[in-house]
Amino acid sequence: GENVEQHPSTLSVQEGDSAVIKCTYSDSASNYFPWYKQELGKGPQLIIDIRSNVGEKKDQRIAVTLNKTAKHFSLHITETQPEDSAVYFCAASIEGAQKLVFGQGTRLTINP
Amino acid sequence: NAGVMQNPRHLVRRRGQEARLRCSPMKGHSHVYWYRQLPEEGLKFMVYLQKENIIDESGMPKERFSAEFPKEGPSILRIQQVVRGDSAAYFCASSPTGTGGGGYTFGSGTRLTVV
Repeated sequence: GENVEQHPSTLSVQEGDSAVIKCTYSDSASNYFPWYKQELGKGPQLIIDIRSNVGEKKDQRIAVTLNKTAKHFSLHITETQPEDSAVYFCAASIEGAQKLVFGQGTRLTINP
Repeated sequence: NAGVMQNPRHLVRRRGQEARLRCSPMKGHSHVYWYRQLPEEGLKFMVYLQKENIIDESGMPKERFSAEFPKEGPSILRIQQVVRGDSAAYFCASSPTGTGGGGYTFGSGTRLTVV
């Protein structure tokens, strides 16, 4: 089955700097890759996603890149702000397969 | 338009008791998914249900765990004879269509503590 590895497990950056979180997946049939943000005591919230027919997607300060050949995808957050502090999860799925396989999570801390 | 509602938010059970976790999907969503999150880990898929049907339970432990999504009312995740290892956050998600490829909305979770 699918296996998703996420790095780093913790990341600390200065406010205003960029943060990058990387994930690799094992199943070449996976074609949908969402990123979730989880704040303390809350459920995961979808922040951006990408499908395998595109290599990059951007939404304001957040972007995701996908390399299908290498089977890895990354989350990029620019101009980080204190409210970006949270745990971020990547995930992978095959459309129609009904379930997401999550990475282990990255705890991002933005230092003022 | 309320989101996915889970209750209770926190649940404490003694070893050997039963835990019942409830999930009301978003209005118009007929597909429900349950995930478990152990401390400092990612979410693990447990079960996918549509109204009155279990579609995929490949992530459910073989014993003590069951799930249902009746025609009327919320989806229920039931854990019988709880053990300390069941302590975790349990999240429910719903979607309007049956696909893992988008459309998921998660609830805020139920945090189960077994003492």
